[in-house]
Amino acid sequence: QVQLQQSGAELAKPGSSVKISCKASGYTFTSYDISWIKQTTGQGLEYIGYINTGSGGTYYNEKFKGKATLTVDKSSSTAFMQLSSLTPEDTAVYYCGGGPNWFAYWGQGTLVTVSS
Amino acid sequence: DIQMTQSPASLSASLEEIVTITCQASQDIGNWLAWYQQKPGKSPQLLIYDATSLADGVPSRFSGSRSGTQYSLKISRLQVEDIGSYYCQQAHSNPDTFGAGTKLELK
Repeated sequence: QVQLQQSGAELAKPGSSVKISCKASGYTFTSYDISWIKQTTGQGLEYIGYINTGSGGTYYNEKFKGKATLTVDKSSSTAFMQLSSLTPEDTAVYYCGGGPNWFAYWGQGTLVTVSS
Repeated sequence: DIQMTQSPASLSASLEEIVTITCQASQDIGNWLAWYQQKPGKSPQLLIYDATSLADGVPSRFSGSRSGTQYSLKISRLQVEDIGSYYCQQAHSNPDTFGAGTKLELK
């Protein structure tokens, strides 16, 4: 069955960076784009962007340009999102998602906590 | 960005009751709309896509409809396993945007 397995929770200091992974299994990795979504209590669900897992081409929501960097490693069927210059406002659960019809598949989420 | 205005923000309903949640798009998005269910501590799950198509494995008591730029999710007979939060998403124009969510509770 299709699975998107994300890396574990991160505790980071303001100004630092974190890199979250999303490992796909159960399907041909390059069949679907991988998108990333931020969820906070206050702002709800926000779309960060997506990466074409075949070409590596990316789209970023303007709000997250300079904050998020999306990459992919086809050899390990893994997508990555690096978040830089972290501030407390980046504290959230981050999901990867994808599928043939919208976000049919989701990772389990990665909690990123930014605190000094 | 396209704004998705979702209502109500919260809803309390009884078992077997009919429940309706709506999303109003700020501009025409055609059928580029999906609905997700999220239970506490879990990832969202796709319920409806293309405004009216039922996702694989989703019970037939869930349905989606469209009237112009207003979209609705209907649960025909509320079950206890339907308790959670619901979100709409538009994918007509980048960036995708989501409604603020509806928290559905049991009365």
